[in-house]
Amino acid sequence: GQNIDQPTEMTATEGAIVQINCTYQTSGFNGLFWYQQHAGEAPTFLSYNVLDGLEEKGRFSSFLSRSKGYSYLLLKELQMKDSASYLCAVLDSNYQLIWGAGTKLIIKP
Amino acid sequence: GAVVSQHPSRVICKSGTSVKIECRSLDFQATTMFWYRQFPKKSLMLMATSNEGSKATYEQGVEKDKFLINHASLTLSTLTVTSAHPEDSSFYICSAPKGLAGYNEQFFGPGTRLTVL
Repeated sequence: GQNIDQPTEMTATEGAIVQINCTYQTSGFNGLFWYQQHAGEAPTFLSYNVLDGLEEKGRFSSFLSRSKGYSYLLLKELQMKDSASYLCAVLDSNYQLIWGAGTKLIIKP
Repeated sequence: GAVVSQHPSRVICKSGTSVKIECRSLDFQATTMFWYRQFPKKSLMLMATSNEGSKATYEQGVEKDKFLINHASLTLSTLTVTSAHPEDSSFYICSAPKGLAGYNEQFFGPGTRLTVL
């Protein structure tokens, strides 16, 4: 079966750095997405990785290792507004998105 | 970016009534739209794929007679929850893929919070 694993919840301090990991086993791979979702709102796109390596976009970076079935989202200089759920999703061989359960990130002052 | 709207944003209805939710791509055409539901503290669950001009494709376990989907145009898909019951209360989200740089990125609507009393 297809499976995406990410931690349920993480806590970090304002101004610090946090890394949210995601491992996946899917039927085929056409890219991995990270989305941010605030409570009661729809997800918003953060990043897309299809090749191995690190993609940096401002305070957020995303890393992918296809051989390991592994990705992480790195958030730097954390702000209170970064408190949200972070969803990892993989586009499988049928171009269908397989979603992880999300990681709830709690930022403390 | 691209914009997807959803209406209504919130609806409260009595058990047994039907509720229609609209999903519109405002600045691009979408031959395919996806309907998700999300329970509190859970991830998105794909319910069905809406295809313009043809029947929707439902995921296993989703009742097609209960969740009616109509993709009438390249910018509009509707989800009708028929004879709604309290267990149908959930957050319903639509998304539409738009090809960008060789891949399809999902653009999400703002979601519809359905509460069935």
